[in-house]
Amino acid sequence: DAMVIQNPRYQVTQFGKPVTLSCSQTLNHNVMYWYQQKSSQAPKLLFHYYDKDFNNEADTPDNFQSRRPNTSFCFLDIRSPGLGDAAMYLCATSRDWGSTEAFFGQGTRLTVV
Amino acid sequence: AQRVTQPEKLLSVFKGAPVELKCNYSYSGSPELFWYVQYSRQRLQLLLRHISRESIKGFTADLNKGETSFHLKKPFAQEEDSAMYYCALVNTGNQFYFGTGTSLTVIP
Repeated sequence: DAMVIQNPRYQVTQFGKPVTLSCSQTLNHNVMYWYQQKSSQAPKLLFHYYDKDFNNEADTPDNFQSRRPNTSFCFLDIRSPGLGDAAMYLCATSRDWGSTEAFFGQGTRLTVV
Repeated sequence: AQRVTQPEKLLSVFKGAPVELKCNYSYSGSPELFWYVQYSRQRLQLLLRHISRESIKGFTADLNKGETSFHLKKPFAQEEDSAMYYCALVNTGNQFYFGTGTSLTVIP
């Protein structure tokens, strides 16, 4: 059974049109992460939540926002997508602080037209 | 700042040959290091972690603090090992940082 689920798998949006990517988890993990992965590049951490505490990476553009309304769900909002935001977006969870395993979703591939 | 470097984007070996995927890191603290693997059309998943000192699917990795390396090794590669491999570091803030990955192809 999938434990970290991302919807949709493929998303096409127009330049400048707000888009939201979704992630849900059945693991009851405290920590949730959003990564951006462009072709042939490392997954890049955008931000993460520990419970409701939001932690933004210093170089994450303001165009990217996130919401975590409850333990199970986390959303990535891109306010005004540009062509450079086309990428695979990965959601991951880990149980708690410390050196724990991260569980990844299948990812959402975002295309900006 | 932390950084993970995987110098090889592509690596091809013949079935039965030894394989080594290189990973170097930089981190001022005491690192926690992992190898993640992504098989074709599957999600990224944990392969092994250095604190466990385990062997998974015949793979091992030893943390060498002197050389700041965490290379992944397997003595005899199998076709099913063909995948994308990412080295990752976790800092004390529980943030995971990944290398750019190495695509391993095992040739029959």
